[in-house]
Amino acid sequence: NAGVTQTPKFRILKIGQSMTLQCTQDMNHNYMYWYRQDPGMGLKLIYYSVGAGITDKGEVPNGYNVSRSTTEDFPLRLELAAPSQTSVYFCASSRGLGNNSPLHFGNGTRLTVT
Amino acid sequence: GENVEQHPSTLSVQEGDSAVIKCTYSDSASNYFPWYKQELGKGPQLIIDIRSNVGEKKDQRIAVTLNKTAKHFSLHITETQPEDSAVYFCAANAGGTSYGKLTFGQGTILTVHP
Repeated sequence: NAGVTQTPKFRILKIGQSMTLQCTQDMNHNYMYWYRQDPGMGLKLIYYSVGAGITDKGEVPNGYNVSRSTTEDFPLRLELAAPSQTSVYFCASSRGLGNNSPLHFGNGTRLTVT
Repeated sequence: GENVEQHPSTLSVQEGDSAVIKCTYSDSASNYFPWYKQELGKGPQLIIDIRSNVGEKKDQRIAVTLNKTAKHFSLHITETQPEDSAVYFCAANAGGTSYGKLTFGQGTILTVHP
């Protein structure tokens, strides 16, 4: 199993451009998440999904959109990139939402907006 | 919502010494407390977790303790080795309607000097 795979690994965007961060998992997990990681701030939840067709906002959803058309894929969309979205983005998945289901993370996408 | 504070932000030890990282949380309904290790260029990986029905859990050189009354939990690494150098994150799940979603601490950069 590859686990959670994120692409691209790195990306530089100009202000106002748009892009989609891709995330796919091969563990047949129902739950998927997007976090952003900023220095000294830990990981903040952007959006999460409890299954295909169902998504919900996390702690910092502004400026982002998600979709979940299949169990495997959970892309994150930035429509109008802003410097404040410079960050490292992590996708994760879990079998459940409870305390017996640890998160499995991808290796991240480092995004710079200039 | 849940708030998790983690200290210290950086920790430097000599090989063979012990390292302790502490976290406090705010939501008294939280009942799941995982610890993640993040190596350079990788996503966080679960190393140990504890549930609120136990006070301590050990796995070889790492242990976690939980004090629900004081709402704090700690990670203990004994006989540290250079490969323990990484960023460590604590987390807590949010109880009530947000059950299951994790809130992360700010992270601790641990450096083990040979």
